Amino acid sequence: EDKVVQSPLSLVVHEGDTVTLNCSYEVTNFRSLLWYKQEKKAPTFLFMLTSSGIEKKSGRLSSILDKKELSSILNITATQTGDSAIYLCAVEARSEKLVFGKGTKLTVNP
Amino acid sequence: GAGVSQSPRYKVAKRGQDVALRCDPISGHVSLFWYQQALGQGPEFLTYFQNEAQLDKSGLPSDRFFAERPEGSVSTLKIQRTQQEDSAVYLCASSLAHNKNSGNTIYFGEGSWLTVV
Repeated sequence: EDKVVQSPLSLVVHEGDTVTLNCSYEVTNFRSLLWYKQEKKAPTFLFMLTSSGIEKKSGRLSSILDKKELSSILNITATQTGDSAIYLCAVEARSEKLVFGKGTKLTVNP
Repeated sequence: GAGVSQSPRYKVAKRGQDVALRCDPISGHVSLFWYQQALGQGPEFLTYFQNEAQLDKSGLPSDRFFAERPEGSVSTLKIQRTQQEDSAVYLCASSLAHNKNSGNTIYFGEGSWLTVV
């Protein structure tokens, strides 16, 4: 059965800290790995990763995929209170459906 | 519209009542997905449409759950005889047709929060 595991499940940091969120997966017919930020109800898209070793960057956020280790990390530098959210990792496997992890709840305190 | 639109945003149903949740995908998006997200969990796949064809309904938890997309655009998720365990956020998502070379990007609506009392 396809599985995505995120760690840690919860993280509390202070503004300005750098955080690293982890995602590992076991899926058949891997197509892509996606990161989403969920603040209220709708997950909002952050990154899609398909190739190993190529970093994707957007402002203070960056992510990279390691297909050999079946994992990905999401880095956030100089965290701000607005970064507080649940960060979801999902893998697109067979057909187009996404298999999600349980998410990492990030709290950034002022 | 600009994004995926869902209605109602919030629904309280009495146990045993039928509910219908609507999803308007992004214009031109061929693929449409329904996910169920319980409190403290990640979204779990329910069903997937490509145009009007329901290609995968393996995630529907019971025969009380039914989804349709008769004209290949708007979709409705219907839950019959609701139970307390059906309480969750129901997320709809849409995407362009699958590109085998580069994966795909799936955009979510804000969800319909269902509480069964």
